[in-house]
Amino acid sequence: TQLLEQSPQFLSIQEGENLTVYCNSSSVFSSLQWYRQEPGEGPVLLVTVVTGGEVKKLKRLTFQFGDARKDSSLHITAAQPGDTGLYLCAGAGTYKYIFGTGTRLKVLA
Amino acid sequence: EAQVTQNPRYLITVTGKKLTVTCSQNMNHEYMSWYRQDPGLGLRQIYYSMNVEVTDKGDVPEGYKVSRKEKRNFPLILESPSPNQTSLYFCASSLWPPRDLNTGELFFGEGSRLTVL
Repeated sequence: TQLLEQSPQFLSIQEGENLTVYCNSSSVFSSLQWYRQEPGEGPVLLVTVVTGGEVKKLKRLTFQFGDARKDSSLHITAAQPGDTGLYLCAGAGTYKYIFGTGTRLKVLA
Repeated sequence: EAQVTQNPRYLITVTGKKLTVTCSQNMNHEYMSWYRQDPGLGLRQIYYSMNVEVTDKGDVPEGYKVSRKEKRNFPLILESPSPNQTSLYFCASSLWPPRDLNTGELFFGEGSRLTVL
């Protein structure tokens, strides 16, 4: 069974701080996605990483896919209150998406 | 506007009273799926459908049924709801099913919060 574990589970930081969220698995994934979910809404795709070692940047967000394609990280620089939400990683299984346990981030002004 | 629409958004019901949560997408997507979201457990897949009349079980299918008679609609049916089905439910769709090196974007509905008393 393919599982995705995220850490930390909860994170509360001050505006302007940096943070990193991790997504780990014992299985190899061909690609990983990161979604953000805001209260009262469904998750929205942020990025897809498909190549081992790949780094993608989306403004203040940096996503990295591990060389062995078993892990990924999301780094946020100078966090803002608008970054508050639930961050989910997801991997592609056979005909199904497998979601991580989620990291709930709160950025305080 | 491209979207996935779920109804109802909120529902309180009693044990054993059959209910249906509707899901409709306007993007001509092949793949549709239902998830439940519970604290500490993340998103768990209930059922998925790769096209009309093609459905399969996800990780937590017990107590649920689905149908895919039309490409745009994928209702979730709880024949006899029980309190352990109290949860936040999401319908999602993507252009094609997830496959190696070909993962599409999942578009989610806004969620349906169900309480079973």
